[in-house]
Amino acid sequence: EVQLVESGGGLVQPGGSLRLSCTASAFTFNSYSMNWVRQAPGKGLEWVSYISSSSRTIYYADSVKGRFTISRDNAKNSLSLQMNSLRAEDTAVYYCARESQWFIFMDVWGQGTTVTVSS
Amino acid sequence: QSALTQPRSVSGSPGQSVTLSCTGTSSDVGAYTYVSWYQQHPGKAPKLVISEVSKRPSGVPDRFSGSKSGNTASLTISGLQAEDEADYYCCSYAGTYTYVVFGGGTKLTVL
Repeated sequence: EVQLVESGGGLVQPGGSLRLSCTASAFTFNSYSMNWVRQAPGKGLEWVSYISSSSRTIYYADSVKGRFTISRDNAKNSLSLQMNSLRAEDTAVYYCARESQWFIFMDVWGQGTTVTVSS
Repeated sequence: QSALTQPRSVSGSPGQSVTLSCTGTSSDVGAYTYVSWYQQHPGKAPKLVISEVSKRPSGVPDRFSGSKSGNTASLTISGLQAEDEADYYCCSYAGTYTYVVFGGGTKLTVL
């Protein structure tokens, strides 16, 4: 079964750092672009970052640009999100999502990992 | 990166049809055919129900259909069932660097 499993969430103080991971299984990870999408408590979905299959192309939402870094290790079927200078407004469930191989939509989602930024 | 505009809530009775709207601009919804819709039940991950404006992924009932006119995309659910009660989010490609933008979501209530 195609699956994405996120990990690394937790409680962190404002200004702190956290690294999220997403492990993929049952599909050819290095053939797919990947995204991080987050959802603040009681709020809607917000796209965070995109990375192409080769890591050659990377995009960030303005809200995280300069603070978050997306990366991937195709040998380990793994996607990461390094989050620095965290703010209260970064509190959310973070989902990794696979992008369709040929078109722009997210066809597989992980179950999410919760990040809470609070003192 | 402004969010697409969706009504906060929509309701319908079992068996009825409902249409959820998603309004963007000529830079996102109006410019591309990459509009997708996601269903999210409470405490669950989003699930793709419509891609590329009107394509239905395998396993999604044909009660779900999508369309677009100008800067507004729509998701129609016919023959409403209790399990359709969920939050629905639209998403559109918005060009390089902005990449994609989501709508604020619509809560569908099946009465």
